[in-house]
Order: sequence, then C-alpha cells, then structure tokens
Amino acid sequence: AAGVIQSPRHLIKEKRETATLKCYPIPRHDTVYWYQQGPGQDPQFLISFYEKMQSDKGSIPDRFSAQQFSDYHSELNMSSLELGDSALYFCASSLGTGAYEQYFGPGTRLTVT
Amino acid sequence: SQQGEEDPQALSIQEGENATMNCSYKTSINNLQWYRQNSGRGLVHLILIRSNEREKHSGRLRVTLDTSKKSSSLLITASRAADTASYFCATDAVGTYKYIFGTGTRLKVLA
Repeated sequence: AAGVIQSPRHLIKEKRETATLKCYPIPRHDTVYWYQQGPGQDPQFLISFYEKMQSDKGSIPDRFSAQQFSDYHSELNMSSLELGDSALYFCASSLGTGAYEQYFGPGTRLTVT
Repeated sequence: SQQGEEDPQALSIQEGENATMNCSYKTSINNLQWYRQNSGRGLVHLILIRSNEREKHSGRLRVTLDTSKKSSSLLITASRAADTASYFCATDAVGTYKYIFGTGTRLKVLA
C-alpha cells in the first residue's frame, strides 16, 4: 500500500540558509501534520492542515511556514536556519481530522551546520 | 505542559515475557494512538483507540483506555527481540486538530 512520501530524506544546510521539506500524503488523505523530533526527544507538533486550510498550530517558529496545495501535498519552509533546527522532521497524513489513524512518513533528517 | 507522559521511561525484559507500558494525559481527548519507533526511524502506527472505547486488540497488542483516570496502557504479549523500540502514545485533545506525543518508553527485549 502507498505510504506517506517525504523528500528529501536528508538535508544539510548552513546557518541562515533556507530549506523546503515536502510531504506527499497517502492517496485520498486530506489531512497533513508536521512534527519535529530532536535527538532523544518525542515528536513535537508543528502545524496541521485539513483540506488545504491550516487546522491547528503548535510550537512552530515564526521563521517556519507551511502550506497544503490543491493536490494535498504539503511543504514546510524554514528560513534563517539555526543550529537548533537540526532534527528529524516528520509528516503524517490521515483521512480527515476525526478518529482516523495518522500515518507517518519516513522523515527528513535536517542537519544545520 | 505535555499532554502525554509515559512510564516506565525504559523497560528491559526477556524474550517471551509480556511488556506493559502506560500513558497518562491531562485533558479530555478524542482519540489516543500508539506508535513504535526504531532508533532514528519513522513512527509506525500500532493502534488507535477512541475515547468511547475501553479496549482494543491487534495481534499481540492489547490497548486499554481509562478516560476517568486519563490513562492508557499498551501490552505486548510474548515479546520478541524485534519488538525492541521506543513506544509512544499520542493524544488529540477535544477541540484541537493535533496530536501531542508522550515522552515514550524505550523497550529492550533480550534474546
């Protein structure tokens, strides 16, 4: 079965650069979530979208922005990167915002040097 | 404050034994999901339990939910070395559209 696709899988950037992470949800899934997971930490919710509209927001820095497009894929844009942004970034998708299983992609490992 | 907290933080058992992990949360929830994560890898969905459900099974997994105590447990029966991973619970509080993860339990199953 098709899974959530994230690209790139690995990304190395320098401080103050920008990065764009992409997420392609499971076909027919209309809800996308973004999470950040630092080393040895639990995933932290960043932002979610339902039917191309932002549905909830967590501890996402103002330097980050995201959107969901008409084909339901989503992009997380990160600017003025800091060393502390180095983490695994996961995207998850679900069929709606109700009692639906949330499936995660393999993650993008971002390293900021 | 964190929505979900798990205990124990780490658990080491012998193959064939059962493993029980607990998750507590603070606010009323719609649903609770359990995930497994191997080191540095993606999160694998295990079970979703709705707030009006008390118990669910999936293979060797059994999840219970006690909304009066705001807690859930994940039981893995007849554990295998391949079950070695971190296990997280995640909850979506009523009125929100996000899942908040607990701190996770690191399970080690010794062959």
